[in-house]
Amino acid sequence: GAVVSQHPSRVICKSGTSVKIECRSLDFQATTMFWYRQFPKKSLMLMATSNEGSKATYEQGVEKDKFLINHASLTLSTLTVTSAHPEDSSFYICSARDQGVGDTQYFGPGTRLTVL
Amino acid sequence: AQSVTQLGSHVSVSEGALVLLRCNYSSSVPPYLFWYVQYPNQGLQLLLKYTSAATLVKGINGFEAEFKKSETSFHLTKPSAHMRDAAEYFCAVSPNTGTASKLTFGTGTRLQVTL
Repeated sequence: GAVVSQHPSRVICKSGTSVKIECRSLDFQATTMFWYRQFPKKSLMLMATSNEGSKATYEQGVEKDKFLINHASLTLSTLTVTSAHPEDSSFYICSARDQGVGDTQYFGPGTRLTVL
Repeated sequence: AQSVTQLGSHVSVSEGALVLLRCNYSSSVPPYLFWYVQYPNQGLQLLLKYTSAATLVKGINGFEAEFKKSETSFHLTKPSAHMRDAAEYFCAVSPNTGTASKLTFGTGTRLQVTL
C-alpha cells in the first residue's frame, strides 16, 4: 500500500517553544490529509482536516491558533504546535487520502511530543 | 453522532487459537465500519471495511468481520492466530462511503499471541 511518513518520530521541547511536525505522502498525491491526536489508552481524536491550497478545517474544541496546519503541496502537510505546554504532550498521527485506489486513508507512524 | 466501543483493551490468545476482537458501534445514520491494525512503530494499516455490501467482510492477513445490525456489532475474527498478529487493533466508524471521510476510533485492543 501507499506510504506516509512523519518527521520527527519523537521530539522533546521546552515549554513555550514551537514544534513543527511534517507529514508526507511518499508515493501518491494527497489533496486531503488528516491530523489526529492520541492520548494514552484513548482513541485517536481527529483534530483537523488539511486541504491542499486552502485553510484547514478544525474540529470543535481544537484551537486553530495553537495548532497551525499548512498543506502547501500535494505531498506535504505540517502541524505546528505553538507555544507548547506540558498538556500538549501527546502522540500525533497524520493520515493522507489517496483518491486513486478505493479512496483510502493511509496513516503515518506518528510523532511523540513531550513538552517539559 | 457516532461512537465505537471496543470491549477489552488487552486480549491474549495462544498461537493457533481463534482470535475474537469485539467492536460495538453507535450511529444515527447507516454506518461504515473499519478495522485498522497498528504494529509497533508503524502507522495504522487498513485490515478491512464494511460499506453496506456483504455483511461478512474478508480482509488481509486472514481476518474477517461480520456486520450485525441487530447487535450493533462489527467483531473481528481470525480462525488461527499467528505470532505476527500481535499488534494494536482499532475499530472505527464513518458516516460516509470509503475511508476518506471523518473516522471515529475506538480505544484500541492490544492483541498478544503466546506460544
